[in-house]
Amino acid sequence: DTGVSQDPRHKITKRGQNVTFRCDPISEHNRLYWYRQTLGQGPEFLTYFQNEAQLEKSRLLSDRFSAERPKGSFSTLEIQRTEQGDSAMYLCASSSPGAKGDTQYFGPGTRLTVL
Amino acid sequence: AQSVTQLGSHVSVSEGALVLLRCNYSSSVPPYLFWYVQYPNQGLQLLLKYTSAATLVKGINGFEAEFKKSETSFHLTKPSAHMSDAAEYFCAVSDYGGSQGNLIFGKGTKLSVKP
Repeated sequence: DTGVSQDPRHKITKRGQNVTFRCDPISEHNRLYWYRQTLGQGPEFLTYFQNEAQLEKSRLLSDRFSAERPKGSFSTLEIQRTEQGDSAMYLCASSSPGAKGDTQYFGPGTRLTVL
Repeated sequence: AQSVTQLGSHVSVSEGALVLLRCNYSSSVPPYLFWYVQYPNQGLQLLLKYTSAATLVKGINGFEAEFKKSETSFHLTKPSAHMSDAAEYFCAVSDYGGSQGNLIFGKGTKLSVKP
């Protein structure tokens, strides 16, 4: 049973560059979430997909951020014109609705450093 | 709106001592509550969850938590700390209650275990 995977694990970029992260959820999971975690804080919700439909976006998700899940499987999160404030750990989680609740399983995260 | 407060950003215990990590929630709907653990540079791993069944929830690695509606609390305990328990612990509530929706996390409590 493979868990949620994320690629890359680490990304260092210069301010103003674009970056893209990938998340591969657990194969049978139809829900996929993106969160952002800054130092000393808990994860904060960014956006949520059910299958290929993006159902919710946080106000944290500025217009420089875009997420896709084209075939309802893997997802990408792109940040355009990166800023130093974008430096954070970006976490992906997936879940599948069940009788005992919707448990989200997290990937290892992508740590972004913007210089 | 749902929210979570974790009292104490850092807790230190001796090996073999009781672990108590505090979490209070605010929710306008019957809450689903979660405890996750995060080891350095890793994603989050689910310890346990409350889904309106038994108020005392047992999780992995000997942890348990008790849902107390009158106190709006969901504190995490373990009778005897082990060195391997040193990590950061996050309490979370499901944003919409029930089984759907993103998670609202507390700021986390870093647990240190002294030999």
